[in-house]
Amino acid sequence: KAGVTQTPRYLIKTRGQQVTLSCSPISGHRSVSWYQQTPGQGLQFLFEYFSETQRNKGNFPGRFSGRQFSNSRSEMNVSTLELGDSALYLCASSPRDSEAFFGQGTRLTVV
Amino acid sequence: SQQGEEDPQALSIQEGENATMNCSYKTSINNLQWYRQNSGRGLVHLILIRSNEREKHSGRLRVTLDTSKKSSSLLITASRAADTASYFCATDPAGGTSYGKLTFGQGTILTVHP
Repeated sequence: KAGVTQTPRYLIKTRGQQVTLSCSPISGHRSVSWYQQTPGQGLQFLFEYFSETQRNKGNFPGRFSGRQFSNSRSEMNVSTLELGDSALYLCASSPRDSEAFFGQGTRLTVV
Repeated sequence: SQQGEEDPQALSIQEGENATMNCSYKTSINNLQWYRQNSGRGLVHLILIRSNEREKHSGRLRVTLDTSKKSSSLLITASRAADTASYFCATDPAGGTSYGKLTFGQGTILTVHP
């Protein structure tokens, strides 16, 4: 079974731009969560989707948004990028509300 | 905000020794999970222990959970250089509405010297 796939792996963007990150979950997993990891704040929960519905959201500004498609693939979007958005963005999928399986992440650098 | 506190922040040992990492948390949980991360890459799920379990084993890993003290420990026996990584505990809070929201500790950086 293929693991969680995140694309792209690396991204460099300029302040003010927007970015879209993609996540393909493990086949059969309907729950997809997104996390931001930075050296200062550690791993922080962004949001979770299940069957195309956002069920939970972390404490991030509205510039961070996401969606899930009918095939469970998910995207997250960050608009009006700031330098502080530079981070490793991790996506995880779960078969149910239990252990999460993470992708390799997308390293976003904002310059 | 981080619910978990991990101790120690860094641990350096020789190959063959055992490594113990501790995690404390603040609220009631459904389960607690341990993950490994190699050098800024993705997280690898190691083990999940439910709130009604006290100890769990998986290969060279042993996890204990003390819900009265709100703490957990991860023991890696007979460590190898390949175990060098950051280790995180993550809690799934009780209440039924966490929906994928794991709360991670700051992690323990383990270095195993050959």
